[in-house]
Amino acid sequence: EAQLVESGGGLVQPGGSLRLSCAASGFTFSSYWMHWVRQVPGKGLVWVSRINSDGTIRNNADSVKGRFTISRDNAKNTVYLQMSSLGVDDTAVYYCAASLHIAVAYDWGQGTLVTVSS
Amino acid sequence: QSALTQPASVSGSPGQSVTISCTGSSSDVGTYNYVSWYQQHPGKAPQLLIFDVNKRPSGVSSRFSGSKSGNTASLTISGLQAEDEADYYCCSYGGSSSLPFGGGTKLTVL
Repeated sequence: EAQLVESGGGLVQPGGSLRLSCAASGFTFSSYWMHWVRQVPGKGLVWVSRINSDGTIRNNADSVKGRFTISRDNAKNTVYLQMSSLGVDDTAVYYCAASLHIAVAYDWGQGTLVTVSS
Repeated sequence: QSALTQPASVSGSPGQSVTISCTGSSSDVGTYNYVSWYQQHPGKAPQLLIFDVNKRPSGVSSRFSGSKSGNTASLTISGLQAEDEADYYCCSYGGSSSLPFGGGTKLTVL
């Protein structure tokens, strides 16, 4: 059974940086697309970023381009989201998700809360 | 990257069927057969219900079905059960920098 565990969330000041991690187990991590999706508490889901199985294709939503960078370490079964120039609008629960499919989030983690506030 | 449009809420009685619509554009739903649907209970992570318009992952009840016509996709839940009360989100591939979700639909089982 696939398991995804996010970490790295917390309180950060506007303009600051944070790196999220998502540790995967229970499936062949190196064969999967990995996605980050965020959700403001009480609001809807918003796709943030994705990376293909070997890390050669990375796509970001326009709202985070130039500020967020997705990466992965297949030896550690971990995907990362480096976030910089954070604003209050980036406050959300960040979920990582795995899939063999570019456009589907098949398995999800439980999320990590990022709060941007002074 | 506009979000897809879903009704804010739908409701139905146990045993009935309900349909949730998801309207996109020719840039996403209308072009790609990569529409997916997710169920989210309060305080929980989303769960995949449907992918590629009408395919169900293993373990998902056959009471959930998906379809698409033009720029609009639909999720139908038949034989409503109390446990189906949740938020539902659609999603569509929209190109290399786009994977829009719908705004979500709250299903109430009366």
